[in-house]
Amino acid sequence: SYELTQPPSVSVSPGQTARITCSGDALPNQYGYWYQQKPGQAPMLVIYKNTERPSGIPERFSGSSSGTTVTLTISGVQAEDEADYYCQSTDSSGTYPVFGGGTKLTVL
Amino acid sequence: EVQLVESGGGLVKPGGSLRLSCAASGFTFSNAWMNWVRQAPGKGLEWVGRIKSKPAGGTIDYAAPVKGRFTLSRDDSKNTVYLQMNSLKTEDAAVYYCSTGGGVVGFDYWGQGTLVTVSS
Repeated sequence: SYELTQPPSVSVSPGQTARITCSGDALPNQYGYWYQQKPGQAPMLVIYKNTERPSGIPERFSGSSSGTTVTLTISGVQAEDEADYYCQSTDSSGTYPVFGGGTKLTVL
Repeated sequence: EVQLVESGGGLVKPGGSLRLSCAASGFTFSNAWMNWVRQAPGKGLEWVGRIKSKPAGGTIDYAAPVKGRFTLSRDDSKNTVYLQMNSLKTEDAAVYYCSTGGGVVGFDYWGQGTLVTVSS
C-alpha cells in the first residue's frame, strides 16, 4: 500500500523557521495537504494543493513541492504552533487518500 | 458556520456492530463529499472511507482494512452521513472523525470526533 513518510519529530526555537518534509512516490502527480492537530482537538487544514493556504491560516504557514517531496514551512514559529502535523495526499490513482505518520513539532 | 457533530460511539465487543452518525450544518450538504477518518489512541490519522455527493455520482470508497465490514451512507434530507461498522475488531478502536472534502480542497472541515472502544 502507498505510504507517505514524515520525520517523527522536529524541534525549533521561537522565532526560527520549522520545515517538515513528506515524501511519497506519487507526489509529483498528486497534491499534498497539511493538517495541524493540537492535543485533544480535531485536525485542521493548514495547506492544500501543495501551496494554498485556507482562509484564516496565518501567513507564516507555507507549503512547497519538489519531486517526490512536499514541505510545510512555518516561519517565525510561535509557541502556539506546537502540535502534530500530518501530510496527506492520494495514491497514484487519485482515489484513495493517505496520511503520513505525523510529525511532532516542539517549540523549545 | 460549518458544524459537524458525530455521535454513536461507545463500547462494543469484538465481532459486534455500531452505527456512527454525523450531523452537518452551515453548508450545502447535498453537494458535499463526506469522509470518515479515524485515529487510534496515540496514533496517526487513517482515512476510513468517503461518500461523494449525488451530483458527483455518489461513489463510495473504503480503505482496505474496513472494506466489506463498514458501510457508508448519507441522507441528504437530514444532512447526515452514517458509518455502519460490523464485525468490529480490537484494531478498529479509535476516535472517528467526520470530515468534508477529500478532493482537491483537502479535508477542509472536521467534527470533534466520537470514541469507539472495542473490547471484551
